[in-house]
Amino acid sequence: DAGVTQSPTHLIKTRGQQVTLRCSPKSGHDTVSWYQQALGQGPQFIFQYYEEEERQRGNFPDRFSGHQFPNYSSELNVNALLLGDSALYLCASSLQGGGETQYFGPGTRLLVL
Amino acid sequence: AQSVTQLDSHVSVSEGTPVLLRCNYSSSYSPSLFWYVQHPNKGLQLLLKYTSAATLVKGINGFEAEFKKSETSFHLTKPSAHMSDAAEYFCVVSVKKKLTFGTGTRLTIIP
Repeated sequence: DAGVTQSPTHLIKTRGQQVTLRCSPKSGHDTVSWYQQALGQGPQFIFQYYEEEERQRGNFPDRFSGHQFPNYSSELNVNALLLGDSALYLCASSLQGGGETQYFGPGTRLLVL
Repeated sequence: AQSVTQLDSHVSVSEGTPVLLRCNYSSSYSPSLFWYVQHPNKGLQLLLKYTSAATLVKGINGFEAEFKKSETSFHLTKPSAHMSDAAEYFCVVSVKKKLTFGTGTRLTIIP
């Protein structure tokens, strides 16, 4: 049973560039959420996708956008990168009708120079 | 709105002694509560969850947590610490699948 997978594992970008991170949910899951974890802090909720639509959003600017595909996988896009966007980006998957439990992937570590 | 307060940013215990990591929560709804563990340079692993069933919840690796509504607490315990328990622990409240994390407690095990 494949768990949540994310790619790439590490990424280095420069300020102003754009980045796309990818996530495949755990087998059987249909809901994907994205979190940003800055160094030394707890993860912060970015947004959640279900049925290819953004269902909830945290306190993040419009530079952060996403997409969910028919196979439930998801992308996180960040435009106009800032130094402060450097963080570990975590994807979590769950089943919409299956309670509150979410399972996390290993994350993508983004460094913005 | 919901929030989580982890009362200790850093806890150190000797190997073989009990572990107590403290967590208080606030939620407008009846919450689901979780503890996740994060080892260095790793993702988050689910330790245990409370979802309005039994108030004493057993998790993996010998960890337990007790939900106390009157105290709005969800403290994590383990009777005997092992070196492999050294990690960052996050208390989490979930409402409608939106997770709110505490700031984390770093657990150090002294050999």
